[in-house]
Amino acid sequence: EAGVAQSPRYKIIEKRQSVAFWCNPISGHATLYWYQQILGQGPKLLIQFQNNGVVDDSQLPKDRFSAERLKGVDSTLKIQPAKLEDSAVYLCASSSPWTRSYEQYFGPGTRLTVT
Amino acid sequence: QQQVKQSPQSLIVQKGGISIINCAYENTAFDYFPWYQQFPGKGPALLIAIRPDVSEKKEGRFTISFNKSAKQFSLHIMDSQPGDSATYFCAASTQGGSEKLVFGKGTKLTVNP
Repeated sequence: EAGVAQSPRYKIIEKRQSVAFWCNPISGHATLYWYQQILGQGPKLLIQFQNNGVVDDSQLPKDRFSAERLKGVDSTLKIQPAKLEDSAVYLCASSSPWTRSYEQYFGPGTRLTVT
Repeated sequence: QQQVKQSPQSLIVQKGGISIINCAYENTAFDYFPWYQQFPGKGPALLIAIRPDVSEKKEGRFTISFNKSAKQFSLHIMDSQPGDSATYFCAASTQGGSEKLVFGKGTKLTVNP
C-alpha cells in the first residue's frame, strides 16, 4: 500500500513570497489533515477535510493560509504572503474509519524555510 | 494553551535499559491516546495507542500505562535499543480518534550502545 505522498520535500522562499504544497493521501482515505510542525514542537493541526468538506480549520491563519481538496482526493496548502514564522515542516496525514480505528498516516512532510 | 504536557524533553538511556516518557492532559473529553515515533526527515508513525477503558496496553517492548483519575499516561520502552533512538510524541483526541490529534512537545530519546 502506497503511503501519503507530499511535494516538494524542501522549499526556500523569501518573506512575502507565495508557496504551495501538494498532498496525495492513501487511496480510499476520506479524511485528510494538514499539520504544521515548528522545530522542537509537536505537530499542530491547521485544517481537517472529510472528503472535500472542511471539518476543522479553527487554527488556520486564514489571512494568509488557504487549502483545498478538490474531488475529495489530492489537497493543496498555500501560504500567501509568507512570514518568517511560517518556517516549519508541513505534514499531511490521512485516515479512514475502516482502518485500525482512525489511525492517521503521515507523509514525509515539506520543510519550508522563509528568509 | 497546551493541552497535552510531555516530559522529559530529552532522555538518554543505555542499551537494554527502560525508557519512560510521561504525558498529562487537561481535557476530560479526550478518549484516544496514541504515541507516535518520528525519525529525522520522516513523518510521525503510530507506535501504540490506548483508550480510557483499559489501564495498560502492551505491544512487544512498548507499553502504555494510563491513569484516568490523574489524567496521565506514559510510554515504557523495555530493553531499549539504539534503533529506538527517535523523537516520541504523545497525543490525544476526542470522538474515538476521528478528531484532530493534539500533540505534546516531544521527547528526543537517545539509546547508547
